[in-house]
Amino acid sequence: DQQVKQNSPSLSVQEGRISILNCDYTNSMFDYFLWYKKYPAEGPTFLISISSIKDKNEDGRFTVFLNKSAKHLSLHIVPSQPGDSAVYFCAAGAQGGSEKLVFGKGTKLTVNP
Amino acid sequence: ETGVTQSPTHLIKTRGQQVTLRCSSQSGHNTVSWYQQALGQGPQFIFQYYREEENGRGNFPPRFSGLQFPNYSSELNVNALELDDSALYLCASSLGFSPLHFGNGTRLTVT
Repeated sequence: DQQVKQNSPSLSVQEGRISILNCDYTNSMFDYFLWYKKYPAEGPTFLISISSIKDKNEDGRFTVFLNKSAKHLSLHIVPSQPGDSAVYFCAAGAQGGSEKLVFGKGTKLTVNP
Repeated sequence: ETGVTQSPTHLIKTRGQQVTLRCSSQSGHNTVSWYQQALGQGPQFIFQYYREEENGRGNFPPRFSGLQFPNYSSELNVNALELDDSALYLCASSLGFSPLHFGNGTRLTVT
């Protein structure tokens, strides 16, 4: 039973356009959410996070939106750059617990020049 | 600031053998977590160590065990290796509720 789902295995966008990566979760106990980026042969790198008390968090070109009622979050990258090409993982956790994160399967983003 | 380092980078073992993977946490971080990433999957939580004690465990059998040392480095031990244990093993360190910082992983192949 997947608690965190990324239903799009891959996404291809043109340089300069917006990339939107989606993530759905099922566990109502999750109260913070993170996005990680992973290049081949490297470990995941933290990108941006959001707490359930907020519905939006922005950091430069990256914005994460959280819709608690729909149990859905999305990552927007504007403008997309070729260096953004990587696998993006959505992760969820419950603060106050053991910091166990539950990850989705990832979405491979390709930004074409 | 030194990041999370893992050794070895690659390892090939035979079914039934035992393996030890090592991790040095990022400077200043006192918590270490281990994740298994099978091919085509996201990382899956194995366990976490804080102050040398296990502080949470995922759905992994007891043949997966770990240690944390006073300098916050950590080991992951897997006994009686099975073919399905072939995966990328990721170590991550953190301080408090800071985001996890991952190492580059150890690629384990069990034949």
